[in-house]
Amino acid sequence: EVQLVESGGGLVQPGGSLRLSCVASGFTFTDYSMTWVRQTPGKGLEWVANINRDGSEKLYVDSVKGRFTISRDNAKTSLYLQMNSLRDEDTAMYYCATPRSYLSGRYYHDLWGRGTLVTVSS
Amino acid sequence: DIQLTQSPSFLSASVGDRVTITCRASQGISSYLAWFQQKPGKAPKLLIYAASTLQSGVPSRFSGSGSGTEFTVTISNLQPEDFATYFCQHLNSFPLTFGGGTRVEIK
Repeated sequence: EVQLVESGGGLVQPGGSLRLSCVASGFTFTDYSMTWVRQTPGKGLEWVANINRDGSEKLYVDSVKGRFTISRDNAKTSLYLQMNSLRDEDTAMYYCATPRSYLSGRYYHDLWGRGTLVTVSS
Repeated sequence: DIQLTQSPSFLSASVGDRVTITCRASQGISSYLAWFQQKPGKAPKLLIYAASTLQSGVPSRFSGSGSGTEFTVTISNLQPEDFATYFCQHLNSFPLTFGGGTRVEIK
């Protein structure tokens, strides 16, 4: 079955750390870049980070630069998000997604996991 | 960063209605726009990409149009399963951003 399955969310205190994982199956993981997207009731959907196929290029939204690190292990078909110095505003559902639908120079996110909830609170 | 403004933010409609949602970009994004449907407790589902291409398996009552800065998604003959929240997303450049969402509810 083609799927992405996230794990690693939970309750963490401000300033703490958490590592999210996303395991891919049913497609050729190394063919596609991978993305983390988060969602809160107040701010809606927010792109967090992107990593290319071999892990050599990583991009982040400004609000997480220097605190979050995206990585992947192609041998394990897994994506990770190391989150340090967590803040209240990082509280969200975190989704991993991959853009596999291609047209005219862009890949579009057609596969999403179910998400893992991160709550930052004292 | 490119901002995407969706309108309306809330829409009340009846089964069988035709509804249109608009997404405006703060600068030109060619046709690098996607539309998603999201139901409560579920991940977003890709409906339309490249502004007007229907994702495989999506009913033909969904259609998308636009380029540059103004885009629309239209649902003709609204069905009970279409009541959900709809988001646009641009892929012109990083950072990728999403619209604020349009919630479609049953009248």
